[in-house]
Amino acid sequence: NAGVTQTPKFQVLKTGQSMTLQCAQDMNHNSMYWYRQDPGMGLRLIYYSASEGTTDKGEVPNGYNVSRLNKREFSLRLESAAPSQTSVYFCASKGYGRGSNTEAFFGQGTRLTVV
Amino acid sequence: AQSVTQLGSHVSVSEGALVLLRCNYSSSVPPYLFWYVQYPNQGLQLLLKYTSAATLVKGINGFEAEFKKSETSFHLTKPSAHMSDAAEYFCAVSERGNNRLAFGKGNQVVVIP
Repeated sequence: NAGVTQTPKFQVLKTGQSMTLQCAQDMNHNSMYWYRQDPGMGLRLIYYSASEGTTDKGEVPNGYNVSRLNKREFSLRLESAAPSQTSVYFCASKGYGRGSNTEAFFGQGTRLTVV
Repeated sequence: AQSVTQLGSHVSVSEGALVLLRCNYSSSVPPYLFWYVQYPNQGLQLLLKYTSAATLVKGINGFEAEFKKSETSFHLTKPSAHMSDAAEYFCAVSERGNNRLAFGKGNQVVVIP
């Protein structure tokens, strides 16, 4: 049982390049999330998907797009990377049904550097 | 939208002393509350959660937290710190019926021998 799997683990991009971060979960969870973690800022929600077919903006959505490809997969795309997007990105999943009282499970993170 | 406040980004505690990490939430109705721990270069893992079954919640590794509605708080404690408790701790909130999950800024705990 792999839980939440993120790829890649590390990435270096040049300013203006694009890339997609992949996330997959095998726990049959309805909800999936993308966060970024920066020193002193905690985890800030970028986008989330409460259920297959829906996506919603979080606190810091600018510069990002997401796709809930199916129940298992939720990808995060940077169309034109900027140095301000240098961060550690975490994917998480949670919940059966409305499941707001269930815990979230996290991937191991993607460390992205934009130069 | 719900939010969480954690004060004091860095917390130093002596080995064997009490660990106390404070968390206050802002929500129109009592939410579901969580504490997570993050060890270096790892993802987050659940310490404990409050889902209204009991106000005093026990978690893993000897941690516990008490939900106080009147104070809108969910502080995390451990009676005696161990070196292995050195990590970053996050409080999180999820509103009832809403799967949005918001985190506080975290507390970096340093344990002094």
